[in-house]
Amino acid sequence: KQEVTQIPAALSVPEGENLVLNCSFTDSAIYNLQWFRQDPGKGLTSLLLIQSSQREQTSGRLNASLDKSSGRSTLYIAASQPGDSATYLCAVYGSEKLVFGKGTKLTVNP
Amino acid sequence: DTAVSQTPKYLVTQMGNDKSIKCEQNLGHDTMYWYKQDSKKFLKIMFSYNNKELIINETVPNRFSPKSPDKAHLNLHINSLELGDSAVYFCASSQAGPLRGQYFGPGTRLTVT
Repeated sequence: KQEVTQIPAALSVPEGENLVLNCSFTDSAIYNLQWFRQDPGKGLTSLLLIQSSQREQTSGRLNASLDKSSGRSTLYIAASQPGDSATYLCAVYGSEKLVFGKGTKLTVNP
Repeated sequence: DTAVSQTPKYLVTQMGNDKSIKCEQNLGHDTMYWYKQDSKKFLKIMFSYNNKELIINETVPNRFSPKSPDKAHLNLHINSLELGDSAVYFCASSQAGPLRGQYFGPGTRLTVT
């Protein structure tokens, strides 16, 4: 049974810092990994999708890496801004479904 | 244009009632999903449909019955609501196959009193 763990559960940083969010999964038989952002009371916004054959994806200040063999992914956020404050969710796709981690709640202080 | 929409956004009802949540996607996707996010914010799949056929049913009580009238719609009907059903329910869609990401609706916050 696939399990996804995200560390840390919460993170508070000053504006401008570079930061890394971690995601690990127990079953490496995945097709892809997706990072989402969830704002309070809102739905999920897809940030990055990494196929199992890829090592990383970049979008603006965001860079996600995937090491399928070790069951790990990281989301790197450069030059963080207060608007980046949200919960970040990692999800892996396998066996026809997405399995989510519990998220990392990020607060970027001005 | 809203890609995945859900109605209603908020739903407050009493125990024992029956209620429905509607979901529509205008992305032309083949597969639709329902997820439940509990009070601890943990998001878990409930159902998935591909071209109106049930693909996944994740040990959800049979009080929950999804219905897909066509490829663009997946509604969730809940009978005999219980306090533990209070949660945020998200609809999502994707193209068939593992290479595409999923797109989520804004969620429906269900409160059972």
